Amino acid sequence: GQNIDQPTEMTATEGAIVQINCTYQTSGFNGLFWYQQHAGEAPTFLSYNVLDGLEEKGRFSSFLSRSKGYSYLLLKELQMKDSASYLCAPQNSNYQLIWGAGTKLIIKP
Amino acid sequence: GAVVSQHPSWVICKSGTSVKIECRSLDFQATTMFWYRQFPKQSLMLMATSNEGSKATYEQGVEKDKFLINHASLTLSTLTVTSAHPEDSSFYICSARDVRIDYNEQFFGPGTRLTVL
Repeated sequence: GQNIDQPTEMTATEGAIVQINCTYQTSGFNGLFWYQQHAGEAPTFLSYNVLDGLEEKGRFSSFLSRSKGYSYLLLKELQMKDSASYLCAPQNSNYQLIWGAGTKLIIKP
Repeated sequence: GAVVSQHPSWVICKSGTSVKIECRSLDFQATTMFWYRQFPKQSLMLMATSNEGSKATYEQGVEKDKFLINHASLTLSTLTVTSAHPEDSSFYICSARDVRIDYNEQFFGPGTRLTVL
């Protein structure tokens, strides 16, 4: 089957660093996306990994290990506006994104 | 960047009526568009994959006669919810794949919130 496993909720402090882990199983694999979704809004693209390793993009970095079916999103210098849900979405062999419920990140002052 | 629009952004209708939602890729051509539905605090659920010029591919459990999809051009796909009922109230989101980008990123529209009374 296909499934995604992420923590349901995480809490972090403004200015700190947080890592959101994701394990996945898909039918085939064509890369993994991370999206941010604020309540009542559509997802917005954060990062894409297709090869093993770390991709850095400003305050956000994403890591992938294909052999382990594992990815993480690292957020640095947290800001209050980073409070949102973070969705790990691997792409299967049909180029469909597989979605879990995401991780709700709460930032406290 | 690639921009996808949806119209309307929200709609309230009476039970039994039909509602049409439009999804447009504004600055790129999208041979493939996706329609999702999301209930509060739940994950996005893929309803169907829409390919320009051909019939949509529906996911298991999605009634194709109730959710009519038309992808008549490279920049427009429509979803019509026929004979809507309160249980169809949800957040409907479309996305479009920009084939110019190697990794097949899906760009999302802002979503349409449907409330059926």
